[in-house]
Amino acid sequence: ETGVTQTPRHLVMGMTNKKSLKCEQHLGHNAMYWYKQSAKKPLELMFVYSLEERVENNSVPSRFSPECPNSSHLFLHLHTLQPEDSALYLCASSQADRGDSPLHFGNGTRLTVT
Amino acid sequence: SQQGEEDPQALSIQEGENATMNCSYKTSINNLQWYRQNSGRGLVHLILIRSNEREKHSGRLRVTLDTSKKSSSLLITASRAADTASYFCATATYGQNFVFGPGTRLSVLP
Repeated sequence: ETGVTQTPRHLVMGMTNKKSLKCEQHLGHNAMYWYKQSAKKPLELMFVYSLEERVENNSVPSRFSPECPNSSHLFLHLHTLQPEDSALYLCASSQADRGDSPLHFGNGTRLTVT
Repeated sequence: SQQGEEDPQALSIQEGENATMNCSYKTSINNLQWYRQNSGRGLVHLILIRSNEREKHSGRLRVTLDTSKKSSSLLITASRAADTASYFCATATYGQNFVFGPGTRLSVLP
């Protein structure tokens, strides 16, 4: 049972749709992350929130918009996506003030853009 | 540039054999972590080794770190079919976020 829950598990959307991915962590962590995992590519860090402040963007296209209303919840708002955005989107959390804190991942949302 | 890089990309062994995966990285690190990912699932943290440590054990897992060569290895002993998964190394540098390698896909045949 993971302490990080992501919904939905699967999502199919058209290029003109707007949808949101949700992540919730029950571990008391103070940092949350969005990663993108595409086939045959390393995990790509998209966004980092530490103590609810966004600290890294990594030049992600503006069609991806994160939101972190509190330390337990993280959203990724999607609009006008492209087929190449189809991937597994993983949320993770950690304890930001501990340099040796590992990442705890959710099971991801498998996104297909048609 | 990519920090961690696993080798081999894919590994297929028989149940009961040992599996060894390697990770190389480019810059100085604070710690190196290994993660496992079953198909269609999230990554699960396996073990962390700090830059001042050379070897660490956890159950059937043994991790080594050679900072002079900027490399680490993950050994899984007495492998089981349930060990079939992708394995990733991630390097952590103070003040920066984790960087993951592309992973090694391990298949353990019954």
